[in-house]
This record gives sequence, structure tokens and C-alpha cells, in this order.
Amino acid sequence: DVKVTQSSRYLVKRTGEKVFLECVQDMDHENMFWYRQDPGLGLRLIYFSYDVKMKEKGDIPEGYSVSREKKERFSLILESASTNQTSMYLCASSVEGGTGVQPQHFGDGTRLSIL
Amino acid sequence: QQQVKQSPQSLIVQKGGISIINCAYENTAFDYFPWYQQFPGKGPALLIAIRPDVSEKKEGRFTISFNKSAKQFSLHIMDSQPGDSATYFCAAEGGGGFKTIFGAGTRLFVKA
Repeated sequence: DVKVTQSSRYLVKRTGEKVFLECVQDMDHENMFWYRQDPGLGLRLIYFSYDVKMKEKGDIPEGYSVSREKKERFSLILESASTNQTSMYLCASSVEGGTGVQPQHFGDGTRLSIL
Repeated sequence: QQQVKQSPQSLIVQKGGISIINCAYENTAFDYFPWYQQFPGKGPALLIAIRPDVSEKKEGRFTISFNKSAKQFSLHIMDSQPGDSATYFCAAEGGGGFKTIFGAGTRLFVKA
């Protein structure tokens, strides 16, 4: 069974801090994703990666960066945290689908509060 | 054109009733339409998915109906149970890209 593990369930940080959210998957998936989930807005894609050291901007990349140094690990970085980045952050992974699209497997999320 | 519009935002159904959630999309390049189920404190998990070459897919009590000409698809939960209470997201993928476009979600509550 695919397991996507996010390092923290809850995190509280202060405005201006640099924040790291870590995600690890154990199924050798090529694709990894970071979303934020806000009530009424669904899941919005921040960044995704289709290979080691490769990254692509999603719909809301401003204020965030990512790092993928190893295939199994995808990190989300808040360069200078702000209160409007308080949210639930979800990591997901999927296998490379070739001609088809493969479902995404999600972690349980990190609820981040910026004070 | 990249949006997926989902309704209703919340839904209350009696135990044993039918829950219906609707989604509409614009981009005709989408070719995979999954539904995800999310319980409180958990990440979303794939529930059922359909490709546009079929009009209906059924898995147990869950059915996706797909109307390609109207660019709409819906999730029907038959004999709804309190354990079905969760948030449901429709989504759309395809056009050769990696991105999944999610609807805003529907919070379903099934009364015991």
C-alpha cells in the first residue's frame, strides 16, 4: 500500500520565519505535489515535481519554493511566513502514467498556523 | 477554462437516501475524472474515477454519471450511510499535463 508521510500534523510558526514542510513517499513515484486546502476553495496546487531536481509552478506558487533532491522526498519551503499562509498543506504522489493518468495518493496533511 | 465547478457546497441526507454531487468543467482536453473522499484529519483518497469514453461507472454504492456533451459529471451515493459522511472532491486531469484540477469540495453529512 502506498504511504505518503508528512513530517508534522500540526505546526505553529511566527511571521517572517522560514518554514520547511517535509513529505516522503515509499512507492518510488515519479510525481509529487504540494497543495494547500482552504474551506470553500478546495485543493489548490502550489508546486509539483516530475523528477528529482525538477519542479514546476502550480496555480499559487507565490511565497513558496520547493526542493526535490531525492526521489522519495519533496519539501515545501515558506521563505518568509505570513499569516495568509495559515492553511492545511497536503502532499501527494503519483506514478508516471505514460499514456494514462494515475491517481494521486495523499498524505494526512500538515495544519500550519502562522502567528 | 481550467476550473471545475462543484455543487452543492454541503449536503445533508437521511440514512438510506441518495446523495448526489455535481461537477462541471470547461476544458475538453480533460480525459480523466476522479472523485476523492476525505475524512476529517485525513488526506483525500481516491474513491472512483471515470474516463469520458463511458457514460457511467459503478463501484458498489458509488456511481459516476458522465455527460460529455454537457461537460458535466456527478457522483451518486446510493443507500447513504453515516460512515459516508466526509468531504468529496471531484477533479479533472488530462491534456498531457500533470496537473489535477479539483472542485471546491462538498461536505456530506448523513443523518443516522
